[in-house]
Amino acid sequence: QKEVEQDPGPLSVPEGAIVSLNCTYSNSAFQYFMWYRQYSRKGPELLMYTYSSGNKEDGRFTAQVDKSSKYISLFIRDSQPSDSATYLCAMSGNNRLAFGKGNQVVVIP
Amino acid sequence: EPEVTQTPSHQVTQMGQEVILRCVPISNHLYFYWYRQILGQKVEFLVSFYNNEISEKSEIFDDQFSVERPDGSNFTLKIRSTKLEDSAMYFCASSEARQGVGEKLFFGSGTQLSVL
Repeated sequence: QKEVEQDPGPLSVPEGAIVSLNCTYSNSAFQYFMWYRQYSRKGPELLMYTYSSGNKEDGRFTAQVDKSSKYISLFIRDSQPSDSATYLCAMSGNNRLAFGKGNQVVVIP
Repeated sequence: EPEVTQTPSHQVTQMGQEVILRCVPISNHLYFYWYRQILGQKVEFLVSFYNNEISEKSEIFDDQFSVERPDGSNFTLKIRSTKLEDSAMYFCASSEARQGVGEKLFFGSGTQLSVL
């Protein structure tokens, strides 16, 4: 099993829809969970950061962590065309930092 | 807002040539990293650097790669003899804390390296 799995399939949604992204992981040492947003030809930008199971909200974004299932999610409410980007999950712990492959999200006006 | 800056944004080179990619990390950060992203692939860790020495490196970071902090602000990645498969976007990042212990990494915009 890969250390971090993120289905890289592109996702197209109409403006205003909820975007749902997720990753699974196998390394129990991971304790910190992040979502990065990457616009075309730009570096990844930290979007959400959490270290405990449960939900964390920041405006239209909600990060969800379920350590027992080794599963993390990102929800984007009321999606906007400006949310069109690639979203990468990342997780760290025990001196390891690993990224998912990224999901390309397109929000159609 | 402080940011990591990278130069050049694009670099084209011939196979076998040496290239140096440059980065200026955020000024109060202590840990520096290089990552690369081959088109359509994951962001991959290359190397981390702390206190003027390599603290960790991946298996990708072989003898053709080297890093240096030549002065108080710049952080460079040198690829000695480039290969076609080195073509990728190279990202520099910096953080206050060490990778893998809850740090937050800040990335530059990357250098797109094309090896012909």
